[in-house]
Amino acid sequence: EAGVAQSPRYKIIEKRQSVAFWCNPISGHATLYWYQQILGQGPKLLIQFQNNGVVDDSQLPKDRFSAERLKGVDSTLKIQPAKLEDSAVYLCASSFGTSKRETQYFGPGTRLLVL
Amino acid sequence: AQKITQTQPGMFVQEKEAVTLDCTYDTSDQSYGLFWYKQPSSGEMIFLIYQGSYDEQNATEGRYSLNFQKARKSANLVISASQLGDSAMYFCAMREGGTGGSYIPTFGRGTSLIVHP
Repeated sequence: EAGVAQSPRYKIIEKRQSVAFWCNPISGHATLYWYQQILGQGPKLLIQFQNNGVVDDSQLPKDRFSAERLKGVDSTLKIQPAKLEDSAVYLCASSFGTSKRETQYFGPGTRLLVL
Repeated sequence: AQKITQTQPGMFVQEKEAVTLDCTYDTSDQSYGLFWYKQPSSGEMIFLIYQGSYDEQNATEGRYSLNFQKARKSANLVISASQLGDSAMYFCAMREGGTGGSYIPTFGRGTSLIVHP
């Protein structure tokens, strides 16, 4: 069974530029998550999708971050414009559903450096 | 207030010994789930163990066990017979109820475990 796929693996941009990350979840997983993990910290949930609907985006900085999951499968996270403090690893995860016992399966992450 | 607190930034253990990683959580929900994940230096998060809030027995998965003390809101991970490959970051996480019946995950800051030969 293929795992969660993410691309690119690494990205270096200058501040004020825009960047987009792509995620393809495990086949059959209805729930998709995007996390931001700053060096030395735990993952911070940015947005949680159930199929193509948003379950939670309370910690997504909506003035610069956006995410979509148009067909309920793969998803794109965009930052526009990027700031220095956006340098982090962006993790995508998926699970079958949103119950309290759902295990999340994580992708390898995208390491973003904003100069 | 932090929902998940991991007070040990770093832990060291001798190979083959047991180690306990601490986790306390804060929720007013009665129904929630608790998880531990491992993140090796390669970066990919790996699920280790799950404990439901209504589960009376402590969860076990091979060398991993979860010491669940509900009244203290504590969910410590115990690794028995540590191996060199256990060296990694360990994250405690909780899923609690959000809008529409979905459960939303929150992670702690993590504990770095180093296993010495």
